[in-house]
Amino acid sequence: AQRVTQPEKLLSVFKGAPVELKCNYSYSGSPELFWYVQYSRQRLQLLLRHISRESIKGFTADLNKGETSFHLKKPFAQEEDSAMYYCALSGPGGFKTIFGAGTRLFVKA
Amino acid sequence: NAGVTQTPKFRVLKTGQSMTLLCAQDMNHEYMYWYRQDPGMGLRLIHYSVGEGTTAKGEVPDGYNVSRLKKQNFLLGLESAAPSQTSVYFCASSRDSSPYFGPGTRLTVT
Repeated sequence: AQRVTQPEKLLSVFKGAPVELKCNYSYSGSPELFWYVQYSRQRLQLLLRHISRESIKGFTADLNKGETSFHLKKPFAQEEDSAMYYCALSGPGGFKTIFGAGTRLFVKA
Repeated sequence: NAGVTQTPKFRVLKTGQSMTLLCAQDMNHEYMYWYRQDPGMGLRLIHYSVGEGTTAKGEVPDGYNVSRLKKQNFLLGLESAAPSQTSVYFCASSRDSSPYFGPGTRLTVT
């Protein structure tokens, strides 16, 4: 069965500290993986996708097929990074995207 | 381009009442989705559509119905609202992957 697991509901770090948001997935096949961000009372926005291998707002994520993980990392957290982060996966063709429960990141000054 | 729009933005219903949430997209996307967002549960897929005239059940379809009569519109219906359906509802659309989301509809059922 398809599943996305984000083990941390809340992650609190100080400004300038490294941050890692964990995501593990279960999927029989080769999924596409994404990270979405939701700032307070706003719509979800795509942060990055594994196939593009890009860095957005200083965030990167590496797909580890052996560990079935797609952790989101940033070396130096900023206060404006405080938001809700969702890991998501979709099957071939990109449809039926499912999401994890989300991790709330709080960056303290 | 407006992207994905949802109406209404807010709604309060009494138990047993019915309503329809409307989603519209102007990006010519084939796929459309309805999710509900609840604290601690993340986003859960209610129903989705892979094209005009087709719909399919997601993770939590019970109590909801959908229709996709036009490619650009995806309607979510609640026939008899229950307090457990109090949630924020997000519509999304995509062409191949990475769904683009609407602003959400906050629904309260009393």
